[in-house]
Formats: sequence, C-alpha cells, structure tokens
Amino acid sequence: EAGVTQFPSHSVIEKGQTVTLRCDPISGHDNLYWYRRVMGKEIKFLLHFVKESKQDESGMPNNRFLAERTGGTYSTLKVQPAELEDSGVYFCASSQMQASHEQFFGPGTRLTVL
Amino acid sequence: GDSVTQMEGPVTLSEEAFLTINCTYTATGYPSLFWYVQYPGEGLQLLLKATKADDKGSNKGFEATYRKETTSFHLEKGSVQVSDSAVYFCALSRESTLGRLYFGRGTQLTVWP
Repeated sequence: EAGVTQFPSHSVIEKGQTVTLRCDPISGHDNLYWYRRVMGKEIKFLLHFVKESKQDESGMPNNRFLAERTGGTYSTLKVQPAELEDSGVYFCASSQMQASHEQFFGPGTRLTVL
Repeated sequence: GDSVTQMEGPVTLSEEAFLTINCTYTATGYPSLFWYVQYPGEGLQLLLKATKADDKGSNKGFEATYRKETTSFHLEKGSVQVSDSAVYFCALSRESTLGRLYFGRGTQLTVWP
C-alpha cells in the first residue's frame, strides 16, 4: 500500500510568487492534516480535513494560505503571495481516525522563499 | 493551551550507550502521547504511543511511560545503535481537538560507532 506522498519535495521561489503544494493521503483515510516546521522550531498544526470538509483551520497563519481537498482525496496548499517567513518544511499526514490513532506522514515539502 | 516541551539537542552518543530524551507536556484532560521519529530523507514515523496514565509504549527497544503525576513521557533506550540516528519528536493529541498533534521542537540524535 502506498504511503502519503507529497509534491514537490523542494521548492525555491521568490517573495511575492505563488506556490502550490500537493498531498496524496493513504487511500481510505478520511482525515488529512497539514503541518509546518520552521527551521529549528516545533512542528505546528495548520489545518485538518475530514473528507472534503475543513474541520479545523485555526492554525493557518493568515489569508495568504489556502487549502483545498477535492472530492475528499488529494489536498493542495497554496501560498499566495509567498513571504520570507513562509519558508520551512510542510508536512501532510493522514489517518483513519482521530486523536489516539496514528497519523501517517509524508516526506514533506521544503519551501524556500528568497 | 496544549504544549510539549522537549529536551534540546543535539544529542551525540556512542554505540551501545543509554539514551534518555526528556519530554513534558501541558494539556487539559487526558491526552494521548506519542514519539515520532524522522530518519534522514524520510517523513515522520510513529515510534510508540501511550493513551492513558501509566501506559508504557515500546517499539524497537525504545520505551516511554505516560506519567500523569509529572506530566512526562520520557523516551529511553538501553543500548543505541548507529541506525537510531534520527530526529525524535514528542507529541500529544486530544479527542476534543480532533486529533491535531502538538509537537515538541525535536531532538537530533547522532550515534557514533
């Protein structure tokens, strides 16, 4: 069974440009989470989908970030326009159930904004 | 709010040494506690978990006990190997926050032969 995949693995863009990150969760996992790790700091929650619905987007930094999950399958996270402080590693995770259950993580997308 | 405080790294050990990585948490109610590990070039993987007080999670020789009285979930291994070199993350989640994970900063472990 394929794990969680993310694309691209790396992205280098200039300030003001737009970037779209993609996550494909494990098939059948209704729960999809986005997290971000800024250099040297803790991994922070961004948002949570259950199927195609946003369950919790309280971690989204500002309205430059837009997440979607089409048909409850893959998800995209768009940053527009990107700022320097958006640099970091963006992780996607999926799970069958919530709370005490394991989340399966993708390898992450390393975003560098110059 | 919920948070996790994790021992700062990096930690460098010789093979077969004893490992402890401290983790304490702040949370209301009864969170579930996790240790995730990230090997170079890979995503985070669940190493072990505990869902209630006094539970001990264990996997691959690693252990951690959920201590509610000290709000701690320290990771231990009696004899580390070079292959254990990775970044270790302590995390918690609660039912009321729908499973979102709260992570510590991560501890880089390097084991030398």
